[in-house]
Amino acid sequence: AAGVIQSPRHLIKEKRETATLKCYPIPRHDTVYWYQQGPGQDPQFLISFYEKMQSDKGSIPDRFSAQQFSDYHSELNMSSLELGDSALYFCASSKDSYGYTFGSGTRLTVV
Amino acid sequence: AQKITQTQPGMFVQEKEAVTLDCTYDTSDQSYGLFWYKQPSSGEMIFLIYQGSYDEQNATEGRYSLNFQKARKSANLVISASQLGDSAMYFCAMREAYTGGFKTIFGAGTRLFVKA
Repeated sequence: AAGVIQSPRHLIKEKRETATLKCYPIPRHDTVYWYQQGPGQDPQFLISFYEKMQSDKGSIPDRFSAQQFSDYHSELNMSSLELGDSALYFCASSKDSYGYTFGSGTRLTVV
Repeated sequence: AQKITQTQPGMFVQEKEAVTLDCTYDTSDQSYGLFWYKQPSSGEMIFLIYQGSYDEQNATEGRYSLNFQKARKSANLVISASQLGDSAMYFCAMREAYTGGFKTIFGAGTRLFVKA
């Protein structure tokens, strides 16, 4: 069965650079969620989209933005990267708020 | 206020024994969902089990069962016949409804070590 696809799997950026993370949800899933998990921490909710509209916003910095496109894939854009942005970024998708499935994550390292 | 509380930062269990991972939650909603996820050292988040707030029976999925006590607001995960591959971080999570959608909040996690 198709899963949530995230790309890239690993990303190394320098401070003040920009990064774009991509997420392809499970087909026919209508909601996409982004989470950030710092080293040794639980996942923190960043932002979600339902039917291509932003549905909820969590602890997402102003330097970050996200959107969901017409094909339902989503991108998380991160600018002016800081060392503290180094984390595992998860995307998850769901249909009718059930079947909450995570992607394998993108590990971002800011140096 | 902490919405999801996992009081056990780490747990040890002998292989083939059962182990219970604690989770309590706080919500004023009548409708919510409770999840458990496993995160091995490789980092991916693996869905284990789900319990809806209106489900009267405890959820079970293979060796995993969820001990749901609604009045106590607890949703403990029970792993029977532990295996070495069960060593991982385990997160309890709760999904609540917000205007326009849903959000899932995670607990701090419990690291489980299975001993041979």
